[in-house]
Amino acid sequence: QVQLVQSGTEVKKPGASVKVSCKVSGYTLTEVSMHWVRQAPGEGLEWLGGFDVEDGETTLAQKFQGRVTMTEDIYTDTAYMEMSSLRSEDTAVYYCAARPKWELLRERGSRYFDYWGQGTLVTVSA
Amino acid sequence: EIVLTHSPGTLSLSPGERATLSCRASQSVSSSYLAWYQQKPGQAPRLLIYGASSRATGIPDRFSGSGSGTDFTLTISRLEPEDFAVYFCQQYGSSPLTFGGGTKVEIK
Repeated sequence: QVQLVQSGTEVKKPGASVKVSCKVSGYTLTEVSMHWVRQAPGEGLEWLGGFDVEDGETTLAQKFQGRVTMTEDIYTDTAYMEMSSLRSEDTAVYYCAARPKWELLRERGSRYFDYWGQGTLVTVSA
Repeated sequence: EIVLTHSPGTLSLSPGERATLSCRASQSVSSSYLAWYQQKPGQAPRLLIYGASSRATGIPDRFSGSGSGTDFTLTISRLEPEDFAVYFCQQYGSSPLTFGGGTKVEIK
């Protein structure tokens, strides 16, 4: 069983950056494929990007390329999502979401998410 | 990118009734790579269905999924009080991964 625990609420001004963390337990970070999804208030879900097991690389949605960086600290089993040049439209709850790599390798292409963090509210306001 | 559209936007039903939710894709979803999630207020989404019709671990059998190509359906055979929530579909057949805007199932 994977558990994902995220960092707390952030309030940022337009133009600033934010870094959200997601700590993995139950598995090691190297055993899961970590992705990030956001949800603006009252809206649907939007995929930012994540680790593609088949390519062995982190893939970002084109919309976020150049503005989002996803990193991993395997020593603390913590994944990070950093977004720069924040604007009001980035106000959302940001979720980390994961799937064990062995499941992805067993079931090729199965990029859905069994495990989710509790979410981190990021508010961008002047 | 594949755009997913839910219908209806809101479904008003009573406990015990059958719920039928639709998710339509703007282009064919390869290999029926479609998942359904349930989300309650203040909570993260919970995986219900993957591969269009396979139930995730621990999901009651009143939840079922069907469909292929561009048209997919989530059916809840008899609504329990805890089933009133928002439901999202997600396609994972092509990048970027995309989600629908959701259907809210509310108590009538």
